[in-house]
Amino acid sequence: NAGVTQTPKFQVLKTGQSMTLQCAQDMNHNSMYWYRQDPGMGLRLIYYSASEGTTDKGEVPNGYNVSRLNKREFSLRLESAAPSQTSVYFCAGQQGAGEQFFGPGTRLTVL
Amino acid sequence: AQSVTQLGSHVSVSEGALVLLRCNYSSSVPPYLFWYVQYPNQGLQLLLKYTTGATLVKGINGFEAEFKKSETSFHLTKPSAHMSDAAEYFCAVSDSSNTGKLIFGQGTTLQVKP
Repeated sequence: NAGVTQTPKFQVLKTGQSMTLQCAQDMNHNSMYWYRQDPGMGLRLIYYSASEGTTDKGEVPNGYNVSRLNKREFSLRLESAAPSQTSVYFCAGQQGAGEQFFGPGTRLTVL
Repeated sequence: AQSVTQLGSHVSVSEGALVLLRCNYSSSVPPYLFWYVQYPNQGLQLLLKYTTGATLVKGINGFEAEFKKSETSFHLTKPSAHMSDAAEYFCAVSDSSNTGKLIFGQGTTLQVKP
């Protein structure tokens, strides 16, 4: 089992460009999450999906959109990237109220 | 609303010394509590968790944590630090809405000196 995978691992964008971060899990998790990690701020929740077909905003949703394509996949889209979105992005999956399993992360730089 | 406070953004210990990373939380309901570790350029990995039952929880790599309801604390300890323990550690509490969401602390970077 691959667990939670994320693509790409690294990305550099120019201000105003768009891109989609991909996340897939093979652990049969119902819930999936997108976080951003910035120095000194821990992990902040962007969006989450409690089940296939549902999505909800987290703490910092502005500038992002998500799609829960099916049970396995949960993508994060930046429509018009801004330098403030330079961060490390993590996807996670979860079954019930137990632990979350994290992907390896995507390092995004917006110039 | 739930919150998590980790005291000390950086902790430095000598190899073989006790490791103590502090975590205090606020929660309006009985919490689920977690400690995660992040090695450089990697994702987060679960160290241990408390859900119900025994308040002293043992995790991987010799770490343990004790849930103290009266002190709203969940401090992480390890009797003897190893160089490989150098990493960033995050404490997290479950959201009271029962959605499974986690609220993370700011993280503590552990440095282990030879």
